[in-house]
Amino acid sequence: EAGVAQSPRYKIIEKRQSVAFWCNPISGHATLYWYQQILGQGPKLLIQFQNNGVVDDSQLPKDRFSAERLKGVDSTLKIQPAKLEDSAVYLCASSLELSGLHYEQYFGPGTRLTVT
Amino acid sequence: AQRVTQPEKLLSVFKGAPVELKCNYSYSGSPELFWYVQYSRQRLQLLLRHISRESIKGFTADLNKGETSFHLKKPFAQEEDSAMYYCALSGYGQNFVFGPGTRLSVLP
Repeated sequence: EAGVAQSPRYKIIEKRQSVAFWCNPISGHATLYWYQQILGQGPKLLIQFQNNGVVDDSQLPKDRFSAERLKGVDSTLKIQPAKLEDSAVYLCASSLELSGLHYEQYFGPGTRLTVT
Repeated sequence: AQRVTQPEKLLSVFKGAPVELKCNYSYSGSPELFWYVQYSRQRLQLLLRHISRESIKGFTADLNKGETSFHLKKPFAQEEDSAMYYCALSGYGQNFVFGPGTRLSVLP
C-alpha cells in the first residue's frame, strides 16, 4: 500500500512569511497527526484529527499555526507569520484509531522548514 | 502530565555486545508504551509496543510499572541496528508523547 505522502520535502522562507505543508494519509486511516521535530528533540504533537474533527490541538500555537482536514482525507498545516524558532521538520502520520485506542502510526518523510 | 525521558543521547556498542536503551516515563494512569526507530534516510517507524509483547528484530522491551521504565534490549547488537530510537507514551484517549531519542551506534 502507498505510504503517507508529504509535500514539499524542503522549504526555506524568511521570517514573517507564510508557509503551508500538505499531507495525504494512508487510505482508510481515520486519524491524522501533525508533529514538529526540532533538531535534537523528539517529535512533538501539534494537532490530531479523527476524520475531519480535531481531537487534540493543545500544543498548537494557534496565534500563528492553523491546520485543517477537509473531507477527512488530506490535510494542510499553515504557519503565518513564521518565526526563526519554527525551523524544524514537520512530520505527518496516520493511523487506524477506534475508541481512543492508539494503533500503529505510519509516518511520512517530513518537510524540513528553514526560517531565515 | 505525561513525560518520557531517555537519559542517553548517544550509545555506542560493539557488534555482538548486548544493548539496552533506557526509557523512563511519568504518567498517572495505565500507560501504553512504544518504541519507534528511524534508520538513516528512512521514515520513523514502529519497532514494538508493550501491549503486543512481541520480539522484533531481536529486540524486546518490558514494561516495569514499579520503576516506570520501558527499556529496550537486545542480546547481540548488529551493525544494521544503528539508528535513532524513540520511546513514546500514550494513555487511553491521551495524545502521544515522544522522548528525546537515543542514537545507537553499533561498531564493527
